[in-house]
Amino acid sequence: SAVISQKPSRDICQRGTSLTIQCQVDSQVTMMFWYRQQPGQSLTLIATANQGSEATYESGFVIDKFPISRPNLTFSTLTVSNMSPEDSSIYLCSVPSSGIYNEQFFGPGTRLTVL
Amino acid sequence: KQEVTQIPAALSVPEGENLVLNCSFTDSAIYNLQWFRQDPGKGLTSLLLIQSSQREQTSGRLNASLDKSSGRSTLYIAASQPGDSATYLCAVKRRGSNYKLTFGKGTLLTVNP
Repeated sequence: SAVISQKPSRDICQRGTSLTIQCQVDSQVTMMFWYRQQPGQSLTLIATANQGSEATYESGFVIDKFPISRPNLTFSTLTVSNMSPEDSSIYLCSVPSSGIYNEQFFGPGTRLTVL
Repeated sequence: KQEVTQIPAALSVPEGENLVLNCSFTDSAIYNLQWFRQDPGKGLTSLLLIQSSQREQTSGRLNASLDKSSGRSTLYIAASQPGDSATYLCAVKRRGSNYKLTFGKGTLLTVNP
């Protein structure tokens, strides 16, 4: 299984500011995924981060609000821009296994609170 | 659009009891189904993965079943322990969805000593 780390683990931010979340994987992976979990809700996919190409965003999420970088096969960042209290969530990085079973692994998450 | 529902939303049981968590999904064209555990404020830990061609998977005290035709999965936990207290999430991967998982809202399990 992949070992995934995220930084920061939590943060409290002011409205209107931006926060960049880092995700590091202990092995090279083609795809990395960013999910959001709002309080009391299920996880929702924000975007797929592909190395060497633009990220693919899901309906309801835009690049200006959630810019993503993927500089290499083990690292990605997600920025939450111009934050509002509605952005308060847990943000999770995820990668699929390299085998045919496509098991999905998740990082420990970043708990964001926007005041 | 795939929708995943988990029942019950919360469950409280005494230690030692066997229990079943339920997951249903609307689109049976799935690649696989995965059960996760989430501790408060933490990330997700993968528990069991069932491929669409399989009927069940077992790991220790956990057994997950899949009935793709009826759109249902169950997670059976035997001899529950207080350490099993967590939120259990069910997620399905639709065929052709390029790794995207659709999650239920989870079942919050509390095992009382």
